Amino acid sequence: AQSVTQLDSQVPVFEEAPVELRCNYSSSVSVYLFWYVQYPNQGLQLLLKYLSGSTLVESINGFEAEFNKSQTSFHLRKPSVHISDTAEYFCAVSTSGGYQKVTFGTGTKLQVIP
Amino acid sequence: SQTIHQWPATLVQPVGSPLSLECTVEGTSNPNLYWYRQAAGRGLQLLFYSVGIGQISSEVPQNLSASRPQDRQFILSSKKLLLSDSGFYLCAWRMGQTGTQYFGPGTRLLVL
Repeated sequence: AQSVTQLDSQVPVFEEAPVELRCNYSSSVSVYLFWYVQYPNQGLQLLLKYLSGSTLVESINGFEAEFNKSQTSFHLRKPSVHISDTAEYFCAVSTSGGYQKVTFGTGTKLQVIP
Repeated sequence: SQTIHQWPATLVQPVGSPLSLECTVEGTSNPNLYWYRQAAGRGLQLLFYSVGIGQISSEVPQNLSASRPQDRQFILSSKKLLLSDSGFYLCAWRMGQTGTQYFGPGTRLLVL
C-alpha cells in the first residue's frame, strides 16, 4: 500500500520570501508523484508531476519539486511567493502498473502575508 | 481539449432528503471517473471509481451510491442524507496510464 505525508498543515510566509512545502511518500513499487493546488471553493488543479526522467520538475508559475528516491520525498519549492499563491497544496502518489490508485496527502495551506 | 463539469455548484439539503450530483466529461472517451469527498480540514477521501459504463467500485461503505449510465457521465446519489454527508464533492477523470487526474469545479453540499 502507498501513503503520503504532508507534515505541515499550515505554512505562513511573507510575500517575496522563499517557501518549501514538504511531502514524503511510502511505496514498495515505482511511483508517479503530483502536486495539486486548490484555491478556495474550487476544484484541484494539477500544478506539476514527476513521471520519469529528470528528478526536478517545474510548473509554469515558478514552483518546482524534486523527486528524491533515497529520501522518498517530493518537496515543493518556490524562491519568491506572491499573494496569489495563497491556496491549499496537495501532494499525491500513484503507482505504476495496474489500477494506478492515487493517494492524496492531507494538504498544506500556504498563507502568503503581505 | 477535455473539460469536466459538475452541478450543482452548491446545494443545501435537509437531513433525510435524497441526493443526486452529476459529473460529465467532454473531449475524451472511456475515461476512468472518480468521486471524492473533502470534509472541512481534511484531505480527499475517495468514494467511488468507475472504469466503464455500469462498472462501479466503492472505496468506503456508507449511505452513498454511484452510477455511470453513460460513458462520460458519473452520478453520485443518496436515498437519505446524513449530517455527516456535508462536504465538498469532487469529480475527477484520469488520463493515460500514469494516474494523472483532472478535477471538476466541485459541489459544496450542506446537510442541515
